[in-house]
Amino acid sequence: QKEVEQDPGPLSVPEGAIVSLNCTYSNSAFQYFMWYRQYSRKGPELLMYTYSSGNKEDGRFTAQVDKSSKYISLFIRDSQPSDSATYLCAMRPISSGSARQLTFGSGTQLTVLP
Amino acid sequence: DADVTQTPRNRITKTGKRIMLECSQTKGHDRMYWYRQDPGLGLRLIYYSFDVKDINKGEISDGYSVSRQAQAKFSLSLESAIPNQTALYFCATSDPRDRVAFFGQGTRLTVV
Repeated sequence: QKEVEQDPGPLSVPEGAIVSLNCTYSNSAFQYFMWYRQYSRKGPELLMYTYSSGNKEDGRFTAQVDKSSKYISLFIRDSQPSDSATYLCAMRPISSGSARQLTFGSGTQLTVLP
Repeated sequence: DADVTQTPRNRITKTGKRIMLECSQTKGHDRMYWYRQDPGLGLRLIYYSFDVKDINKGEISDGYSVSRQAQAKFSLSLESAIPNQTALYFCATSDPRDRVAFFGQGTRLTVV
């Protein structure tokens, strides 16, 4: 079983819809949680970064962490065609040295239809 | 200009050939990484380096080697390429507290 599970999709939604992307994880030591967006033929770029539990909002994007359920979410409001990309969750524990490595989900491919 | 630059962007090579992928960064970060990305498997860590004198194996280092030529340069080599090394390869750096990773544009490698 993978440490981080993410539904690969593909997910297609109409423009203006609310999108919910999710990851589950098994390692209770994970404390830092990130969402990356990857456009086709590009490298992943950091979208959201949160520490421990709670919500964080940035414009149309909201990241939510529920450590008790080992579940993180990314919500996109008023989705736009430019949001079409693969979204990767990533997480890591608070540790020293080599243990501080990111573990990635496999990514969810999102298409927002005009 | 990109903060993390990878060359080449695309490469087709034959089985058994030696190939080097190069990465340079202008972010001033000490920590650099090489990942490969395969459909359905996400990003997997090949090697990482915390400074010029520190090289560590990642999850899938077999068949790969690396060289940290300078703080800003980290290269990945496939000594004898095989078809199942066909993948998208990413170089990344991270900030001093290792909070997040910053990725290059990737190298699409095809081994035929």
